Amino acid sequence: SAVISQKPSRDICQRGTSLTIQCQVDSQVTMMFWYRQQPGQSLTLIATANQGSEATYESGFVIDKFPISRPNLTFSTLTVSNMSPEDSSIYLCSVSGTANGYTFGSGTRLTVV
Amino acid sequence: GNSVTQMEGPVTLSEEAFLTINCTYTATGYPSLFWYVQYPGEGLQLLLKATKADDKGSNKGFEATYRKETTSFHLEKGSVQVSDSAVYFCALSDLAAGANNLFFGTGTRLTVIP
Repeated sequence: SAVISQKPSRDICQRGTSLTIQCQVDSQVTMMFWYRQQPGQSLTLIATANQGSEATYESGFVIDKFPISRPNLTFSTLTVSNMSPEDSSIYLCSVSGTANGYTFGSGTRLTVV
Repeated sequence: GNSVTQMEGPVTLSEEAFLTINCTYTATGYPSLFWYVQYPGEGLQLLLKATKADDKGSNKGFEATYRKETTSFHLEKGSVQVSDSAVYFCALSDLAAGANNLFFGTGTRLTVIP
């Protein structure tokens, strides 16, 4: 199955700043997904990113706050913009279409102070 | 729509006890069902999956059977170990209904004490 390298693994950021999270996949994949896992909660889908088109955002998430890039079939970035403490979460990327269904990156643990 | 309802935690068991974590689902099509595990400080790992009714997924002593009649996918293990302490997520995908992503339950934290 695919292997995903996600970075940074963690960061502590000042409110009002932005952080860009990167995911690199070792094979070409059509769809990449970005999830948020707030403290003590389950995973919520932020958006689906397809190469060559704009990302599709779920209800409650907007492009201005979470811009996504998908320049090719092996790479994507998620930016968390104008951060506030409420954005403190674990952010994960995921790909589908592997033999085991879905593979996840190791996550980015973000703390906003 | 698609949703997953998972047994509330946390669950604390003694080593070698029997484990059941309940999971039921709602789906518009014929979903695939998954259990993911998240060990402390780590990312999500696929534990097991089942893609059609009556399939049984199994891995590391864990089992779950896809029950269409009860829309359930309960996770079981006959004898838990301390190393099984983690958060367990039930999830579904419903590709036939056009939902390419995973829908997750709320997660159940399991702590196994020696």
